[in-house]
Amino acid sequence: NAGVTQTPKFQVLKTGQSMTLQCAQDMNHEYMSWYRQDPGMGLRLIHYSVGAGITDQGEVPNGYNVSRSTTEDFPLRLLSAAPSQTSVYFCASSYSTGTSGLYEQYFGPGTRLTVT
Amino acid sequence: SQQGEEDPQALSIQEGENATMNCSYKTSINNLQWYRQNSGRGLVHLILIRSNEREKHSGRLRVTLDTSKKSSSLLITASRAADTASYFCATDTTGGFKTIFGAGTRLFVKA
Repeated sequence: NAGVTQTPKFQVLKTGQSMTLQCAQDMNHEYMSWYRQDPGMGLRLIHYSVGAGITDQGEVPNGYNVSRSTTEDFPLRLLSAAPSQTSVYFCASSYSTGTSGLYEQYFGPGTRLTVT
Repeated sequence: SQQGEEDPQALSIQEGENATMNCSYKTSINNLQWYRQNSGRGLVHLILIRSNEREKHSGRLRVTLDTSKKSSSLLITASRAADTASYFCATDTTGGFKTIFGAGTRLFVKA
């Protein structure tokens, strides 16, 4: 199993450009999520999905879109990049217990994004 | 705003000593998890404790949860240089799927 994979590893964008960060998992997990991590801080939830066709907003959703057409893939789109979106982005997946919350989350290696 | 707050922000100890990190949170939770992050890497899950549990062990790790005080602690016994990393607590709020992470404790274990 490859686990959770993310591409690209590094990306530099100019202000106003758009791009898609890719995330895929091969563990058949229902739950997938995107986080951003800024220097010296913990992870902040951007968007999450509890299954194909179902997405919801996290703590910091503005400026980002997601979709979940398959169980395996959960791409994150930056609509018009801004310097404030410079960060490291992590994708994660997990089994869901339904109303009892999540099991452990498996994280990808991250994408380091710089917006100039 | 972040749900979990870790204390201390940074901790430096000698190899062989125990390391204790604390986490406080604000709202009711389904479970609380601890993760480790080595520099520049993704997070690795360490241990999960559910809201109806008070203590869990995994190898050299011991986690406690006090829901009345909305706090948890992670104890690493007999620390090793390889334990040098950042440690984060994360909570799943009741009725939702939003996992909220704290800012983390940076642990440095000197050989």
